[in-house]
Amino acid sequence: NAGVTQTPKFQVLKTGQSMTLQCAQDMNHEYMSWYRQDPGMGLRLIHYSVGAGITDQGEVPNGYNVSRSTTEDFPLRLLSAAPSQTSVYFCASSRVSGANVLTFGAGSRLTVL
Amino acid sequence: TQLLEQSPQFLSIQEGENLTVYCNSSSVFSSLQWYRQEPGEGPVLLVTVVTGGEVKKLKRLTFQFGDARKDSSLHITAAQPGDTGLYLCAGADTNAGKSTFGDGTTLTVKP
Repeated sequence: NAGVTQTPKFQVLKTGQSMTLQCAQDMNHEYMSWYRQDPGMGLRLIHYSVGAGITDQGEVPNGYNVSRSTTEDFPLRLLSAAPSQTSVYFCASSRVSGANVLTFGAGSRLTVL
Repeated sequence: TQLLEQSPQFLSIQEGENLTVYCNSSSVFSSLQWYRQEPGEGPVLLVTVVTGGEVKKLKRLTFQFGDARKDSSLHITAAQPGDTGLYLCAGADTNAGKSTFGDGTTLTVKP
């Protein structure tokens, strides 16, 4: 089982460039979410989705867009990258029923110069 | 905004010692998870606690959920170098499908 797949694993951008981090899950999970992880700050929620066509903002949504056209995919878009968006990004999925146990991807390390 | 405070932030101990990590909040959570993360990888679930006062054991790890479902602890007995990693607690808002994470505890166990 692939679980949660994130691409790319590493990316370097210049300030102002745009890009999309891809996330796909094959577990038929209803919930998907994006977190960023910075040193000493744990994981902070960027955006999340409770199902196809439904998204909502998390704790730190500014500068990021998401869409959920299918159950499987939940891409994260950076519209105009800034150095403050240098971070490691994790996509996660979970089931509607149960205790919101998250299955994480391996992460995407983004550097904005 | 629900906040989770985790302590200590860093812990460096010798093999064989015991340790406890704490996760505290002023909010009530539907459930609470503990995850472990190794460098270059995503967090992996260790345990979920749901009921106030619940205690779960996973080999040398003991997890406890507070009676009021606002806090939790992770106790490791006779730590081993393989326990080294980042330990994260997360409070779940089950209806909203989202979780709030603590800042993590970086554990180093020296041989």
